[in-house]
Formats: sequence, C-alpha cells, structure tokens
Amino acid sequence: GAGVSQSPSNKVTEKGKDVELRCDPISGHTALYWYRQSLGQGLEFLIYFQGNSAPDKSGLPSDRFSAERTGGSVSTLTIQRTQQEDSAVYLCASSPRAGPLAGGQETQYFGPGTRLLVL
Amino acid sequence: GQQLNQSPQSMFIQEGEDVSMNCTSSSIFNTWLWYKQDPGEGPVLLIALYKAGELTSNGRLTAQFGITRKDSFLNISASIPSDVGIYFCAGQYTGTASKLTFGTGTRLQVTL
Repeated sequence: GAGVSQSPSNKVTEKGKDVELRCDPISGHTALYWYRQSLGQGLEFLIYFQGNSAPDKSGLPSDRFSAERTGGSVSTLTIQRTQQEDSAVYLCASSPRAGPLAGGQETQYFGPGTRLLVL
Repeated sequence: GQQLNQSPQSMFIQEGEDVSMNCTSSSIFNTWLWYKQDPGEGPVLLIALYKAGELTSNGRLTAQFGITRKDSFLNISASIPSDVGIYFCAGQYTGTASKLTFGTGTRLQVTL
C-alpha cells in the first residue's frame, strides 16, 4: 500500500513568512510524528499525535511552531514568521499504534520529507 | 534535543569489507532501531530490537541490543555499493509518546 507522503517536497520562503507543511500518514495508522533534520544531523523530535489524545508538543522549539491533525489522519505543521535557522528537512512518520500497550506495533515509517529553505 | 552518541561519524571502506558501527546512550531504552537514509529520502527501517541482549539479523545486517539497554551495534557484512548512505540508530522508550531519539548518524562510503 501507499507509504507516508509529504508535500511540498521542497519549499523556499523569505524570512518572516509563514509556511505550512503537510503529511499524509499510512492509512489506518493512529500515531503520527513530526521530526526535524538539520543539515548533517540526526532527527530531532518535534510533536506527536496519538488518536484523539492531546498531542505531545514537548519537542517544538518555539511558539512559532504548531501542528494540527484533522480527523485522525492528515497533519499540518505550521511555522510562523520563519527564521533562517528554521531551514531543515521536516520529516513525518506514522505507526500503527503507540503507547505502553502497543507491543511491537510502534514501528515508525517515514515520509520523504519537506526541504525548507528560509532566505 | 537529546541525540545519541553514534560512531564512527563516517567510514570509507572497500566493497566486500565488513562494517561495524555503534550507538550509546546515557539513558535506557526498551527498543533500539537502526535506519538507513538515502539522499533525498526519509529513513527506512533496517532492524528493530525489542529485548536486552537480543541479536537480530536481516540479510547481511546484524544488530544487537546491549545488555545494559544503553547501547546497540550494527554490523554489515560483505559491503556492496548500494550500502552507501547514512545509518542512524534510534532509541525508543515505550511510554505515552514512544518518540524516537536518534543518533548523530554514520555516513558510509563504499569504494569499488
């Protein structure tokens, strides 16, 4: 079946503008994650959604970052008033389940990412 | 955010050689994962380890979950050109978030 998809694949914006990044998880996956990967670095956790529970926003670097997940499926990551240090690849992942009872169903499958460049 | 210590940072090896890389953490995990990332792509899961001491193989890849739950290694035997890429370890603590904590990556280059 289809994997995780993200759009746009590339985004160039000017400093101070807002951007929206979209993630379509694998159908039926209840958990959705956003990560950020700066050039030459590993992935940094941003935010996590599990079903209808309140999202875990502990990784968001500032209040300029927010995310929504509508209907338990598609998610949008919004960055307001972008700064040059926001330039990175933003990766989305989904998993069938998550949490202490998931028992091996937590494997996260990643999308190809959105490459954001803030000029 | 926290990142795991992964070494080596990069490797240049000849085709046919074996490769070994490892990952250490200051905190314990109950799942260790190894991912490979090709240029322009998201990470792809190679091996998942769920139990301390577990040794798991996937083709030419072998990974182990350290007894202390604070480390893991990945071996690649008889490397081939398509092994080129960046390899990331990731630790996961099953809890309310199950978020992954990633290593800093090992860039593998294979020469013919």
